[in-house]
Amino acid sequence: EAGVVQSPRYKIIEKKQPVAFWCNPISGHNTLYWYLQNLGQGPELLIRYENEEAVDDSQLPKDRFSAERLKGVDSTLKIQPAELGDSAVYLCASSLGSQGNEQFFGPGTRLTVL
Amino acid sequence: AQKVTQAQTEISVVEKEDVTLDCVYETRDTTYYLFWYKQPPSGELVFLIRRNSFDEQNEISGRYSWNFQKSTSSFNFTITASQVVDSAVYFCALSEAASGGSYIPTFGRGTSLIVHP
Repeated sequence: EAGVVQSPRYKIIEKKQPVAFWCNPISGHNTLYWYLQNLGQGPELLIRYENEEAVDDSQLPKDRFSAERLKGVDSTLKIQPAELGDSAVYLCASSLGSQGNEQFFGPGTRLTVL
Repeated sequence: AQKVTQAQTEISVVEKEDVTLDCVYETRDTTYYLFWYKQPPSGELVFLIRRNSFDEQNEISGRYSWNFQKSTSSFNFTITASQVVDSAVYFCALSEAASGGSYIPTFGRGTSLIVHP
């Protein structure tokens, strides 16, 4: 069974440029999460999807971050414009429901903003 | 205040030593879930165990064991006879109930375990 797929694995951009990350969750997993992980820290939840509906997006900086999950499968996280402080690893995870089930994580996208 | 505290930032041991990673959590909920994840150098977090708040039975899986104590709000993780392949960052996480019946996960800052040959 394929795991959570993320692309790209690495991205280097200059500040003020836009960037997008893509995630394909495990087949059948209706819950999808986007996390931000800074160096030496644990993952911090940005947004959670239940199917195509975005819930728990209180930590998403909505002035520059946006996300979508069309058709309740793949998801895209976008930053526009990127700032130096956005440099981090962006993790996608999925789970079968959100009743405390374990999450399966992708390898992450390491973003460097210059 | 942090909901999940992993006070040990880094632990260094020699192979075959036993090591315990501490996790202390904070919640007012009676129903919640606790997790441990492993993040090897490759970066992908790997699920190790889940415990619900009503199950305080300790669990053993090979060289891994977990001690859940509600009285001290702790969920500690012990690796027996550590191996070099155990070197990774280990995260403890807490999922509490949110509106709509779903559970929101909060991760600790992680403990970096280095096992020397």
